[in-house]
Amino acid sequence: AQSVTQPDIHITVSEGASLELRCNYSYGATPYLFWYVQSPGQGLQLLLKYFSGDTLVQGIKGFEAEFKRSQSSFNLRKPSVHWSDAAEYFCAVLDQTGANNLFFGTGTRLTVIP
Amino acid sequence: SQTIHQWPATLVQPVGSPLSLECTVEGTSNPNLYWYRQAAGRGLQLLFYSIGIDQISSEVPQNLSASRPQDRQFILSSKKLLLSDSGFYLCAWEHGTFSSAYNEQFFGPGTRLTVL
Repeated sequence: AQSVTQPDIHITVSEGASLELRCNYSYGATPYLFWYVQSPGQGLQLLLKYFSGDTLVQGIKGFEAEFKRSQSSFNLRKPSVHWSDAAEYFCAVLDQTGANNLFFGTGTRLTVIP
Repeated sequence: SQTIHQWPATLVQPVGSPLSLECTVEGTSNPNLYWYRQAAGRGLQLLFYSIGIDQISSEVPQNLSASRPQDRQFILSSKKLLLSDSGFYLCAWEHGTFSSAYNEQFFGPGTRLTVL
């Protein structure tokens, strides 16, 4: 069965520090993987996605993620966090066996301190 | 450009009361539409999806129903709300296509429902 695990519920980093948010997935075939960001009271915005090819994916707002098949991971990174990055981040895997069903992790809340 | 609207933004309802959440999409035709729920401490879960008018599929058994009376309108309903229906409800759309290729889903701003 498809599943996504985000082991960190809440992360706090200082502005300017580097960031890594963890995501592990379980999927029987080649996964399509996504990272979304949700600002308070807002819907989800797609940061980046991985379908195939280069395992290091660049996204918007200076984010990147690396697909590691051997570790079933798709961790999100940013070299220098800005206060505006404070939000909730969701990792998701796409199941194409029926609808384009996105299986989401439980999310990681990022707090940025000055 | 395409936009997606949801209303209301927040809602507080007593147990046993009915529910109607609306989602509309502008700027596109024949979209695929989705309802997701985000319960406290849990990820988003797909509730319903629709590939056309009056074509609704349910992903999980539940107290809710969905309808699509018009091409770009998707409604989530309940006759009697339960406490467990509380959560953040997100509507999403994607370009409808006969291809099995993936199209990006675009999410609305969501409705926060509290059932007391």
